[in-house]
Amino acid sequence: EVQLVASGGDSVQPGGSLRLSCAASGLNVGDNHMSWVRQAPGKGPEWVLVSYSGGGTFYADSVKGRFTFSRDNSKNTVYLQMNSLRVEDTAVYYCVRDWGCFDPWGRGTLVTVSS
Amino acid sequence: DIQMTQSPSSLSASVGDRVTIACRASQDISKSLAWYQQKPGKVPNLLIYAASTLQSGVPSRFSGSGSGTEFTLTISGLQPEDIATYYCQQHKTNARTFGQGTKVEIK
Repeated sequence: EVQLVASGGDSVQPGGSLRLSCAASGLNVGDNHMSWVRQAPGKGPEWVLVSYSGGGTFYADSVKGRFTFSRDNSKNTVYLQMNSLRVEDTAVYYCVRDWGCFDPWGRGTLVTVSS
Repeated sequence: DIQMTQSPSSLSASVGDRVTIACRASQDISKSLAWYQQKPGKVPNLLIYAASTLQSGVPSRFSGSGSGTEFTLTISGLQPEDIATYYCQQHKTNARTFGQGTKVEIK
């Protein structure tokens, strides 16, 4: 069974930084395309980025230049470095296996940006 | 980016009713479309991919159709456990986008 568990969410002030982690089991992150998707309270899901197993990462315009994806195949973990956080980045963040569509969705982690 | 527009934004139907949700893409996405179900307090769950292929384990009362810019999710015989918000999502381009959602309630 594939499991993806995100962690690292916290409450931060605008302009702050956070690093989210997502530990995978049942799949090798190095062999899979991976995305981060977020969902603000009471809103629909919003795609954040996709990183292809063969290389290449694409970001939503709303996070471009502020968020950075990385993966550590030895730890079977992917990361999301979030800088210059804004109030509108408040959301539950999910890492997902991306095969065009998203499946499965892991357990998310809540990021709250507030002064 | 490709914009995805769902209609209606909400609907109320009786148990056993046939329910149809529409999703329109702002440009041709071929069949690069998925549907998700999100129950209150839960994570979205993939129902259908490639516009019409049922994900394993999803009840056969769910079906999807369409290609190009017009797509439909149909629930043939609404059940109480189908109360949820449904989202479409395109993956024709690197910039994946979701529809705004359709909330389904029981009348």
